[in-house]
Amino acid sequence: GEDVEQSLFLSVREGDSSVINCTYTDSSSTYLYWYKQEPGAGLQLLTYIFSNMDMKQDQRLTVLLNKKDKHLSLRIADTQTGDSAIYFCAGKAAGNKLTFGGGTRVLVKP
Amino acid sequence: DAMVIQNPRYQVTQFGKPVTLSCSQTLNHNVMYWYQQKSSQAPKLLFHYYDKDFNNEADTPDNFQSRRPNTSFCFLDIRSPGLGDAAMYLCATSPRGGEQFFGPGTRLTVL
Repeated sequence: GEDVEQSLFLSVREGDSSVINCTYTDSSSTYLYWYKQEPGAGLQLLTYIFSNMDMKQDQRLTVLLNKKDKHLSLRIADTQTGDSAIYFCAGKAAGNKLTFGGGTRVLVKP
Repeated sequence: DAMVIQNPRYQVTQFGKPVTLSCSQTLNHNVMYWYQQKSSQAPKLLFHYYDKDFNNEADTPDNFQSRRPNTSFCFLDIRSPGLGDAAMYLCATSPRGGEQFFGPGTRLTVL
């Protein structure tokens, strides 16, 4: 099965850019997703990228995909205190199933 | 607003006492999923329904069952909760082949 790995923790100052990294093993993943989870809440879909794309930008969010290295990143520009949360990357495999990474806890300091 | 609703948001049960968690959706999606998420871990898929077709993950314990009486509702039944079943339970829905939308979750405490 697919393995998806993320770094555990990221600390960033308010106003700076955050970059969250993810690596995956299944090259057949058709879509790759980024979800945000605030404390005690469900997962909020932030953005996704189709596997034949290199980059997708959506307001403050930029997703970069390097298929050769199986590396996905999420850049958050002008990070705000409301961006403090756990961010999960996930790959979609056969049967529409998602395989999640372990999550990256982002702490934004004022 | 179209959404995924989970009730209750917090559930406390006793060791061994059956409990049912509820999920409903107004998105009219074909597929409904149940995930278990333990503290500081990724969500783990328990099972999913594609319309009425039930799909169980190979490593989901028999203690966990599910029912989907209609398109809008899906239930998670835990027959004999153990201390290790304390977790956040997340329901999600998707259209066929589409992205998954999650509910707010039900946090289960087992005493």
